[in-house]
Amino acid sequence: DAGVIQSPRHEVTEMGQEVTLRCKPISGHNSLFWYRQTMMRGLELLIYFNNNVPIDDSGMPEDRFSAKMPNASFSTLKIQPSEPRDSAVYFCASLRGYNEQFFGPGTRLTVL
Amino acid sequence: DQQVKQNSPSLSVQEGRISILNCDYTNSMFDYFLWYKKYPAEGPTFLISISSIKDKNEDGRFTVFLNKSAKHLSLHIVPSQPGDSAVYFCAASPLKTSYDKVIFGPGTSLSVIP
Repeated sequence: DAGVIQSPRHEVTEMGQEVTLRCKPISGHNSLFWYRQTMMRGLELLIYFNNNVPIDDSGMPEDRFSAKMPNASFSTLKIQPSEPRDSAVYFCASLRGYNEQFFGPGTRLTVL
Repeated sequence: DQQVKQNSPSLSVQEGRISILNCDYTNSMFDYFLWYKKYPAEGPTFLISISSIKDKNEDGRFTVFLNKSAKHLSLHIVPSQPGDSAVYFCAASPLKTSYDKVIFGPGTSLSVIP
């Protein structure tokens, strides 16, 4: 299996632009998580999907952030408009049932 | 306020010696604890876990110790190898099955010197 796939791996954009991060979970996994890692706050959960349905989005920092999971094999995290404080590494993770999570390699976002 | 703390941002150890990574937590509702390992440009990978009903769990060179009364856990790596150089995240959850409730610590960067 290819593991969790994230794209792009690096994104540099200017303040005010829309940013879309993509994730393909491991086939057969029914839960998907978006995390953000920063120096100040460490690794924090943004949103969690189960069977493509958003279960808990309490970690989404602001309305500028939105996430979708249109099907079992694809999810997006969108930031519109982006701000410099959104600069971080964004991880996607998936799991099946109650087994361990598998993380993707992350997307390093820089907002200038 | 951080619920899971790793007070040492970095640690250097000689190859062959023991590495001890520490973690403290504040929430007494945490019942399940995990350690993840992260290499540069990769996502975290699960390393070892422990339930609060145990005080020790061992997997090869890796052992996790839990002191629930002190709200403290530690990861021991014996013997340390250069390939163990990575960032180690301590994490805690109220339930083994509640991955959406997992709280991560800030991480400790381990360098194993050949």
